[in-house]
Amino acid sequence: EDQVTQSPEALRLQEGESSSLNCSYTVSGLRGLFWYRQDPGKGPEFLFTLYSAGEEKEKERLKATLTKKESFLHITAPKPEDSATYLCAVSGGYQKVTFGIGTKLQVIP
Amino acid sequence: DGGITQSPKYLFRKEGQNVTLSCEQNLNHDAMYWYRQDPGQGLRLIYYSQIVNDFQKGDIAEGYSVSREKKESFPLTVTSAQKNPTAFYLCASSILQGRSYNEQFFGPGTRLTVL
Repeated sequence: EDQVTQSPEALRLQEGESSSLNCSYTVSGLRGLFWYRQDPGKGPEFLFTLYSAGEEKEKERLKATLTKKESFLHITAPKPEDSATYLCAVSGGYQKVTFGIGTKLQVIP
Repeated sequence: DGGITQSPKYLFRKEGQNVTLSCEQNLNHDAMYWYRQDPGQGLRLIYYSQIVNDFQKGDIAEGYSVSREKKESFPLTVTSAQKNPTAFYLCASSILQGRSYNEQFFGPGTRLTVL
């Protein structure tokens, strides 16, 4: 069974303090790893798809990387508007998507 | 403006009632999904559909039903058989490439509360 574990569960940063969120996964034949941002009371917003180890993608202050066992979402010089829950998900050989519980990020001015 | 719409945003149900949540997409996506989100848990798949007039049960289908009569629409009915229906319900859609699942795009969600 595919599994996704995200850490930490919650993270509090000062504005401008860079950090990384971790997504560890076990999957039978990775077809894609996805990162989403979710604001309270809203649906997840798609950020990135990574397909193979070594791949990296960037968007503004966010950079996602992928290894064979985990993915990192690096946040550089975060701003208060980056506060949200970040979800990781994997699509594996069983043709379903498994989501992690998420990391709740709070950026303090 | 392409996207996924869900209605209503908030829904209140009395015990013993069936309620239907609406989901519409104009992204021309083949696949559509329904998830349930509870505090402290990841999104759990209720039902999904890859093509019109066909759908499959997800991990927690008991007490729910769906239909897919049009490509754009995938309504979810929460029946009285669902014992704990209070949750945040999310609809999503994606393209299909071969047998792979691609990134899913989500609607704004419906919060269902049982009174």
